[in-house]
Amino acid sequence: DAGVTQSPTHLIKTRGQQVTLRCSPKSGHDTVSWYQQALGQGPQFIFQYYEEEERQRGNFPDRFSGHQFPNYSSELNVNALLLGDSALYLCASSMTAGGGALSSYEQYFGPGTRLTVT
Amino acid sequence: AQSVTQLDSHVSVSEGTPVLLRCNYSSSYSPSLFWYVQHPNKGLQLLLKYTSAATLVKGINGFEAEFKKSETSFHLTKPSAHMSDAAEYFCVVTPRLNNNDMRFGAGTRLTVKP
Repeated sequence: DAGVTQSPTHLIKTRGQQVTLRCSPKSGHDTVSWYQQALGQGPQFIFQYYEEEERQRGNFPDRFSGHQFPNYSSELNVNALLLGDSALYLCASSMTAGGGALSSYEQYFGPGTRLTVT
Repeated sequence: AQSVTQLDSHVSVSEGTPVLLRCNYSSSYSPSLFWYVQHPNKGLQLLLKYTSAATLVKGINGFEAEFKKSETSFHLTKPSAHMSDAAEYFCVVTPRLNNNDMRFGAGTRLTVKP
């Protein structure tokens, strides 16, 4: 089992540019969550995708958007990059309880993508 | 609203001595609580979790934590530190009925001296 994988590992972008980060969930998982971890801080929840829709969102601006594909993989897009967007972006996958219940089971994290905005 | 406060940003212990990482939580709902560990350049790994069963939770690598509702605490302990325990540790809270809304603490960096 490959676990949660993320690409790329590192990325350097310029202010104003756009970036796309990718995540493949652990086998058997159908739910993907994205987190931003600034240097020296704990991860902050960006949003979660389930059944190809954004199910829940944290306190992040609309510049942050995402997508989930039929194979459950996911992308995180950030537009109009700011210096403050520099962070480690973590993807976590989980399995939502049967019947489309709101709760997800334990989340498994990928190694992250380190984004640097200059 | 829910949040966690990790009371120490940095803890340093000698190898073979006990580890105590402190976490207090605040939650409007019955909480689920987790401890995750993050090694450099690696993803977050779940150490243990409390959902609603036994208040003393045993995790991997000899770690355990006790849920104390009266003190709103969920401290992480280990009887004897190993060099490989050096890492960043995060306490996490989520409402029990909505495990999607995970709130992380700021983290505690554990240093283990030989």
